[in-house]
Amino acid sequence: SQQGEEDPQALSIQEGENATMNCSYKTSINNLQWYRQNSGRGLVHLILIRSNEREKHSGRLRVTLDTSKKSSSLLITASRAADTASYFCATDTYGGSQGNLIFGKGTKLSVKP
Amino acid sequence: DTEVTQTPKHLVMGMTNKKSLKCEQHMGHRAMYWYKQKAKKPPELMFVYSYEKLSINESVPSRFSPECPNSSLLNLHLHALQPEDSALYLCASSQDPFLSGVKYFGAGTRLSVL
Repeated sequence: SQQGEEDPQALSIQEGENATMNCSYKTSINNLQWYRQNSGRGLVHLILIRSNEREKHSGRLRVTLDTSKKSSSLLITASRAADTASYFCATDTYGGSQGNLIFGKGTKLSVKP
Repeated sequence: DTEVTQTPKHLVMGMTNKKSLKCEQHMGHRAMYWYKQKAKKPPELMFVYSYEKLSINESVPSRFSPECPNSSLLNLHLHALQPEDSALYLCASSQDPFLSGVKYFGAGTRLSVL
């Protein structure tokens, strides 16, 4: 079953612009993670935000978490063509039991040079 | 070394074939996972191994048979698959099954069932 719902499903921007993706989820979480997937290959972990955190930064990435609204956003600043990929949010809902991740449907980001 | 290695990268098999997918990690992780991903869909969990023991089977058909020979290796044995089983199969690992944390994914095996 899917927990997260990302929007938009697809996003096309020019190099240098910022990209914002949103994720909503349904149940209580232990943490929320964002992953990137290039063209049907493996997923790469980008950032993890715990349920007691509201904002986190990593390089050009900024993630926010609003547990009252059960939503998160991923901001990529000064985007590059190499950022073209699908981005998934994933929630850890078992609070440490088996560490299962439930992925959202993903946002396909296209950054044009 | 934060690498999870999956072999083969591509696999084409007939419905009567038996094949195996292999996954290896040398990070000392004690949780390993198999995910299935259909085109334009998110990954879906199939199996979880905790300390080399199968702990979660997400109602996967018996034509998929996982095996964890040791803490570094995870196999997925395939037999009598159907064309709808064609997908990207992803292996992942994490440090401890009872701690929430980052999953490290392999590059996947692209499986086509004819």
